[in-house]
Amino acid sequence: GENVEQHPSTLSVQEGDSAVIKCTYSDSASNYFPWYKQELGKRPQLIIDIRSNVGEKKDQRIAVTLNKTAKHFSLHITETQPEDSAVYFCAARLDNNDMRFGAGTRLTVKP
Amino acid sequence: DVKVTQSSRYLVKRTGEKVFLECVQDMDHENMFWYRQDPGLGLRLIYFSYDVKMKEKGDIPEGYSVSREKKERFSLILESASTNQTSMYLCASSITGGGGETQYFGPGTRLLVL
Repeated sequence: GENVEQHPSTLSVQEGDSAVIKCTYSDSASNYFPWYKQELGKRPQLIIDIRSNVGEKKDQRIAVTLNKTAKHFSLHITETQPEDSAVYFCAARLDNNDMRFGAGTRLTVKP
Repeated sequence: DVKVTQSSRYLVKRTGEKVFLECVQDMDHENMFWYRQDPGLGLRLIYFSYDVKMKEKGDIPEGYSVSREKKERFSLILESASTNQTSMYLCASSITGGGGETQYFGPGTRLLVL
């Protein structure tokens, strides 16, 4: 079945630095890759997503890249701010709407 | 604005009790999902449903069942709660078709089984 690996599990950066979180997936049928941000005590919320026909997508300080050949995708956050501190989850979706999530990355941005 | 609600934020039950967790969405979404969230394991899919009265097993269905009698409501049932089912349970919904991949999550139910 589908497997999504996410690294690192924890990440600490200084305010203003960039943060990169990487995910790999196993099933080449995966066609949609969202990223969710979960702040402490709150529900996961979608922050950016990418479809399999696109290699890169950017939204202000956040970008996602997808390498279909290597089956990996990454989240890039530039100019990090303390409010970026949260747990980030990647996910991969199969054709049948079945979504598989990574284990999460706890990002801490130190002021 | 999509709203997904869950019946309880916190729940304490005893081993062996039958537990019902309810999820309601108000956006006429076809798809609904139940996940459990545990530290270091991320979100793991328990069951999902594409339509009323339809259900599909996810990665960890053992010890759980679900019910989807109405489109807006998806219930997770723990037939006989056990301590290893202590967890955070998250419900989500999405539409089918273009743009439907986005899952909208409920606030979560933190279940403690004693």
